[in-house]
Amino acid sequence: DTGVSQDPRHKITKRGQNVTFRCDPISEHNRLYWYRQTLGQGPEFLTYFQNEAQLEKSRLLSDRFSAERPKGSFSTLEIQRTEQGDSAMYLCARGGNTGELFFGEGSRLTVL
Amino acid sequence: QQPVQSPQAVILREGEDAVINCSSSKALYSVHWYRQKHGEAPVFLMILLKGGEQKGHDKISASFNEKKQQSSLYLTASQLSYSGTYFCGTELTQGGSEKLVFGKGMKLTVNP
Repeated sequence: DTGVSQDPRHKITKRGQNVTFRCDPISEHNRLYWYRQTLGQGPEFLTYFQNEAQLEKSRLLSDRFSAERPKGSFSTLEIQRTEQGDSAMYLCARGGNTGELFFGEGSRLTVL
Repeated sequence: QQPVQSPQAVILREGEDAVINCSSSKALYSVHWYRQKHGEAPVFLMILLKGGEQKGHDKISASFNEKKQQSSLYLTASQLSYSGTYFCGTELTQGGSEKLVFGKGMKLTVNP
C-alpha cells in the first residue's frame, strides 16, 4: 500500500467530453505529482504540487488540462474536451522523505 | 533529456542474472529505479544520489558512476517475481523530484 488512492480506476468517455480524476493521499503529504503513462512508455511528468501550490507544469499539458490541490490534501486533474490522444493511464504519486515517488494505482482513461 | 535505457527487453530463466543500464547526456543529481508489473503502478526500488555509490537489498542492487551520468541495476539469481518493466527515473537538479524524467523501460521476463 503506497498510501495513495485514485478514483475512478477506469473511465471511458466520448471525444469532446470532460473528465476529472481524483487523487487522495492517505495522510497529508507536502509533495504530490501527476504523471501520464501510455502503452510501452515510462511515466511522463505532468505537474507537481507543494502543499496547495502548483509549482511546475509540463509543456505536455495543454490548456485543456488543469489540476488543483485545494487545502493541500486531495488533488484533482481535469481534462476538458477530451481527444483520442488523451487516452492513457493517469498516475498520481506522493513524494517520500528522500525524494522517492509512491504511485497510486492510476486512473485509466479511454477516449472513444 | 530522457535517459536512455538498455537493453529494451530481456528473457531469462529463473536463477540467471541481468543488468539494466540507464544513461544520461548530462550529470544527474539522482537516479531512481522502479519496477512495474503488468496492469499495476510503478513501485519504487531504490534511489542513488552520490557518484560511485552502490546500494542494494536482497538480490537487487544498483550503482551510480563517478561522473553521475550512468546507473546500472543488477538482478542476481532472478526469481519469477522479478518479471516486469524496469524504469530508471532521473533528476537533473536537487529539489526532491520536482521533475523526475523516466526512461522507456526494460521489459524483463523470467521463465521457470
